[in-house]
Amino acid sequence: AQTVTQSQPEMSVQEAETVTLSCTYDTSESDYYLFWYKQPPSRQMILVIRQEAYKQQNATENRFSVNFQKAAKSFSLKISDSQLGDAAMYFCAYRSSTYSGGGADGLTFGKGTHLIIQP
Amino acid sequence: DAGVTQSPTHLIKTRGQQVTLRCSPISGHKSVSWYQQVLGQGPQFIFQYYEKEERGRGNFPDRFSARQFPNYSSELNVNALLLGDSALYLCASSLGRAGETQYFGPGTRLLVL
Repeated sequence: AQTVTQSQPEMSVQEAETVTLSCTYDTSESDYYLFWYKQPPSRQMILVIRQEAYKQQNATENRFSVNFQKAAKSFSLKISDSQLGDAAMYFCAYRSSTYSGGGADGLTFGKGTHLIIQP
Repeated sequence: DAGVTQSPTHLIKTRGQQVTLRCSPISGHKSVSWYQQVLGQGPQFIFQYYEKEERGRGNFPDRFSARQFPNYSSELNVNALLLGDSALYLCASSLGRAGETQYFGPGTRLLVL
């Protein structure tokens, strides 16, 4: 079974600064997908960025970018020019690329990192 | 287009009761997944349905069941509620292909007393 680990329960950053959230995962599969989701206090889980494991190029979405290190099984999220609206819980998630039945068909989430933005 | 919708937003039940939660996917999406998020934790996968068939099940007891209707909406049922079932229940929809992005609804907050 796959596992996802987020070792930083809480991170704090000054507005306009850059912050990096860490995520490591464990899998025996060679093809899979990785995601970062944001969950503000309103509870709605919002997709931030998606990475396909077979792509070597790191995904980027505006101020959000990832550092995907497949051999190290590491998938960190970098937020540049942090804004007050970035404050939220951030979850790293893994999904298998094939339907194999059972729990492998769902997303496997880490425990999350609470990001605080200091004005 | 409307996003994923869930009802009700909040629910209070007592131990031993049964509860039904509802989810409507994004238009055109044929797959619905259910997750349980206990306070302070990441969501845990419960079920995935695609074209009205169960495609996957997480490590949850048989008290949890679900179904998907011809219009692709879905219901999650939980019988014989326990205090530990208190959580945020999230529904996510997707087109149905492996590995693709799942889009989440706002969730239903269930409190079991």
